[in-house]
Amino acid sequence: DAGVTQSPTHLIKTRGQQVTLRCSPKSGHDTVSWYQQALGQGPQFIFQYYEEEERQRGNFPDRFSGHQFPNYSSELNVNALLLGDSALYLCASSSPGVNEQFFGPGTRLTVL
Amino acid sequence: GDSVTQMEGPVTLSEEAFLTINCTYTATGYPSLFWYVQYPGEGLQLLLKATKADDKGSNKGFEATYRKETTSFHLEKGSVQVSDSAVYFCALKRAGGTSYGKLTFGQGTILTVHP
Repeated sequence: DAGVTQSPTHLIKTRGQQVTLRCSPKSGHDTVSWYQQALGQGPQFIFQYYEEEERQRGNFPDRFSGHQFPNYSSELNVNALLLGDSALYLCASSSPGVNEQFFGPGTRLTVL
Repeated sequence: GDSVTQMEGPVTLSEEAFLTINCTYTATGYPSLFWYVQYPGEGLQLLLKATKADDKGSNKGFEATYRKETTSFHLEKGSVQVSDSAVYFCALKRAGGTSYGKLTFGQGTILTVHP
């Protein structure tokens, strides 16, 4: 049983560009959450998707947007990249009625 | 809002030493509490959890007890190994029992264990 998978592993972009990160949840999971982890910090919640809708959002600007597909996979899009967007982006999935979240390995984004 | 505070780090121990990493939280209601571990270059792995007051979570020799009266969830292990070297995160989540809701994390504690 595959766990949570994310792609790509690493990504380098320049300021002002746009980026899309992808996540496939663990089998049987229908809820996907995204977190940003800056170097030396704890993860910060970006948003959560369920039934293809954003149902909770953290304190992140509108430059951060997402999508969930019918197969429960998800994308995180960041527009107009800033240097401060450099971080490890973590995807987590959870199953119905369970409050545990399982994390993927993350995508390391570097903005130059 | 919700918050989690972990002890200042990093923590450096010799193999077989006793480990305590302190964690306190602020939240309304009765959140679920978690400890996650992050090994270098990897994502987060759930280490243990507790969902109500006085619950004790345990896994791989690690333990933590949900103390409502002191709003704490300290992580302990009786004898650490070099392989325990990692970053440890305390986290809370409201709306226990459902998949809804975010995790709120502490800043993390770096543990280094020397042979």
